[in-house]
Amino acid sequence: QQQVKQSPQSLIVQKGGISIINCAYENTAFDYFPWYQQFPGKGPALLIAIRPDVSEKKEGRFTISFNKSAKQFSLHIMDSQPGDSATYFCAASEGWTGANNLFFGTGTRLTVIP
Amino acid sequence: GAVVSQHPSRVICKSGTSVKIECRSLDFQATTMFWYRQFPKQSLMLMATSNEGSKATYEQGVEKDKFLINHASLTLSTLTVTSAHPEDSSFYICSARDPKARQGSTDTQYFGPGTRLTVL
Repeated sequence: QQQVKQSPQSLIVQKGGISIINCAYENTAFDYFPWYQQFPGKGPALLIAIRPDVSEKKEGRFTISFNKSAKQFSLHIMDSQPGDSATYFCAASEGWTGANNLFFGTGTRLTVIP
Repeated sequence: GAVVSQHPSRVICKSGTSVKIECRSLDFQATTMFWYRQFPKQSLMLMATSNEGSKATYEQGVEKDKFLINHASLTLSTLTVTSAHPEDSSFYICSARDPKARQGSTDTQYFGPGTRLTVL
């Protein structure tokens, strides 16, 4: 059973555009929601993470929006660049540090066209 | 950030042989390491949680006799795929938990670069 659902499966965006990836979860015990970026043949790298006590977190061009009542969270990549082309995974875990088991979404393959 | 290495980065073996994959935390002591498996274009699936000095905890559906995990020290965990078969071909990724990460940090689980296993 997929604990975290992610959409879309793939996304094509023009350079300079906004990329939006959505995730939803059911387990209300989850309290840590990170996003990972993975390039082909590499392990995932933490991009940005949020805890449920805030509704938005921004780091540079990357923003997480969090809706606790809807149990949804999303990643927005502003001014998308070709170098952002990668697979993005949302995840969730219990325990705010992310040190516990992570449940990953199914991934979104982002392609940014020059 | 903290560094986690894996060795080898890729391995090709014949069906029926055993393969050992190493996961090392290079600049911190990891009391807990996680092993994930990722099929092409799919998500990461947790296989097991490895705690130093104790037996690993396997996720449902993962054969513990086939995927042997040894966390013998605070910086090293190994995954041995025994009697490997073509269906075991996958990308295996470990992560390590840094228990001394500063309070308030949201990044206390660091991922290795992965090992591509191909069983012929």
